[in-house]
Amino acid sequence: GESVGLHLPTLSVQEGDNSIINCAYSNSASDYFIWYKQESGKGPQFIIDIRSNMDKRQGQRVTVLLNKTVKHLSLQIAATQPGDSAVYFCAEKRGSQGNLIFGKGTKLSVKP
Amino acid sequence: DAGVIQSPRHEVTEMGQEVTLRCKPISGHNSLFWYRQTMMRGLELLIYFNNNVPIDDSGMPEDRFSAKMPNASFSTLKIQPSEPRDSAVYFCASSWGIQQYFGPGTRLTVL
Repeated sequence: GESVGLHLPTLSVQEGDNSIINCAYSNSASDYFIWYKQESGKGPQFIIDIRSNMDKRQGQRVTVLLNKTVKHLSLQIAATQPGDSAVYFCAEKRGSQGNLIFGKGTKLSVKP
Repeated sequence: DAGVIQSPRHEVTEMGQEVTLRCKPISGHNSLFWYRQTMMRGLELLIYFNNNVPIDDSGMPEDRFSAKMPNASFSTLKIQPSEPRDSAVYFCASSWGIQQYFGPGTRLTVL
């Protein structure tokens, strides 16, 4: 088996606190970004998206911020709950390409 | 809608055997994606189809891997012969626009 794994950045927060998960992207041609949540044993699930002509978008308890100047994307989760514990991926779409480019993921651990 | 359906959910096989993973995309979606996820390499795109036509297979590891999409409601990913390093979770996703909807994955273990 594998003895060395991908070291995921881990964020540990207290239940009820706000969480901020960050993502850097490299291609200035990317025009669309998505955050996915992956719970243990499941496939990634869509959380929220944002187009490059926006700098902020809000959903239910989640906000995505986009800073194109420094190529940075963040996901803010308000009042984090134990059910938010998962690995969070940012993904970007570049121009006319039909596929998404996924980041390595951040593991969010919520302490009760 | 039942979402993206994958089968089997778990597969354990011996090295050298042929493995076929199956995917039924969400009805009406026109793009289908196959991904592989491992601890070592994270989530990797293997191949994607648009309107049943393979568009980009640059992520397919080698000739042992092949994928087909004979119609809009079915796709297969085949590994022949399988090797222990193919052990991973394989996800299928489908989309109509940009947002991709993922299936539950097939956990493949090659002994």
